[in-house]
Amino acid sequence: SQQGEEDPQALSIQEGENATMNCSYKTSINNLQWYRQNSGRGLVHLILIRSNEREKHSGRLRVTLDTSKKSSSLLITASRAADTASYFCATPARRSNDYKLSFGAGTTVTVRA
Amino acid sequence: NAGVTQTPKFRVLKTGQSMTLLCAQDMNHEYMYWYRQDPGMGLRLIHYSVGEGTTAKGEVPDGYNVSRLKKQNFLLGLESAAPSQTSVYFCASSPLGGSSYEQYFGPGTRLTVT
Repeated sequence: SQQGEEDPQALSIQEGENATMNCSYKTSINNLQWYRQNSGRGLVHLILIRSNEREKHSGRLRVTLDTSKKSSSLLITASRAADTASYFCATPARRSNDYKLSFGAGTTVTVRA
Repeated sequence: NAGVTQTPKFRVLKTGQSMTLLCAQDMNHEYMYWYRQDPGMGLRLIHYSVGEGTTAKGEVPDGYNVSRLKKQNFLLGLESAAPSQTSVYFCASSPLGGSSYEQYFGPGTRLTVT
């Protein structure tokens, strides 16, 4: 069963705007990861945030983690056409056995030129 | 490094036929995974392996078998294909398991069962 769920399901923005998507999960976690999937391709790892971190940056990406609310957000700043993709959060499938990842259904982001 | 490769890229099967999907990684990773991706359902884990010679069931293992005879290869078999197995299949690998390690994905295999 899915641990994490992304919101919204789809997002359409103008080039240059920021895009924000959220991930909510059910049980306590050690780490949370975000992945990107371009159309017709495999997933690519973007960023990992640990449970003792509140915010992490990587280039134009900013990820936050609120363990009290069991939620994370991914912000893409100054979006580009190349950011058009689906974005997935991944959490441990089960807390007691942190050896598998559970992926949400994803947020599809479309960046309009 | 080629990373994670999958063979074939596309395949059409008739109901009842069998086939094997091959996944290969050249990163010396211990863990390997097979997922299926269906519209609106994200990725679901079929089977995984924590090392050469080991396999384990994931979330949706029915109708599939796997083997990991060599560390770099992870094979997914469909013994008797059904239309419900129409999907995009992704293989992934990671150095070790769990949420502390990123997974590296292959490009996918698009399978249609008619």
